[in-house]
Amino acid sequence: KQEVTQIPAALSVPEGENLVLNCSFTDSAIYNLQWFRQDPGKGLTSLLLIQSSQREQTSGRLNASLDKSSGRSTLYIAASQPGDSATYLCANILGGTGNQFYFGTGTSLTVIP
Amino acid sequence: DGGITQSPKYLFRKEGQNVTLSCEQNLNHDAMYWYRQDPGQGLRLIYYSQIVNDFQKGDIAEGYSVSREKKESFPLTVTSAQKNPTAFYHCASRGTGTKNTIYFGEGSWLTVV
Repeated sequence: KQEVTQIPAALSVPEGENLVLNCSFTDSAIYNLQWFRQDPGKGLTSLLLIQSSQREQTSGRLNASLDKSSGRSTLYIAASQPGDSATYLCANILGGTGNQFYFGTGTSLTVIP
Repeated sequence: DGGITQSPKYLFRKEGQNVTLSCEQNLNHDAMYWYRQDPGQGLRLIYYSQIVNDFQKGDIAEGYSVSREKKESFPLTVTSAQKNPTAFYHCASRGTGTKNTIYFGEGSWLTVV
């Protein structure tokens, strides 16, 4: 079974700082890896999707990288803003297991004005 | 607009009662999912369906039931056998193929009273 771990569980940074969120997984035979944002009491919003053949994806101030061999992905947020405060989750699909996504427990980010 | 609609947003269940959470999508997606999220925790898979009239148990299916009579609908029933149902429930859907992202609804809060 795939185990997905996110470190740190919580992070607090001053506005304007660049930051990195980490996601590690035990089985590297993944189809893709996806990063999500969750605001309190809300559903998940997709941020970035990285295919297994790709190394990174970028959207605005966000950059996600994938290293399958080491079982790691990182989400880089540049010039953080208070509006970035949320919980960030990573998830992946294993090859050969159909459509099942495996989720990490998330990193709760607070950006202090 | 295309998307996933979950209802109700808030639901209260009395002891021994069955309740049903609705999930409808107009994205023409084949795969649909139900996840449970406890406070401060990641998402755990309850059930998923890849096609109409077919569904598979996830990691925590006990005490839950689903149906998939129509492509756009995937209701979840929380039965009285589920002893600790208080949680946030996510419905999601995804198109076929590894490049397709997974989309989430706004979620439903279920509380036992």
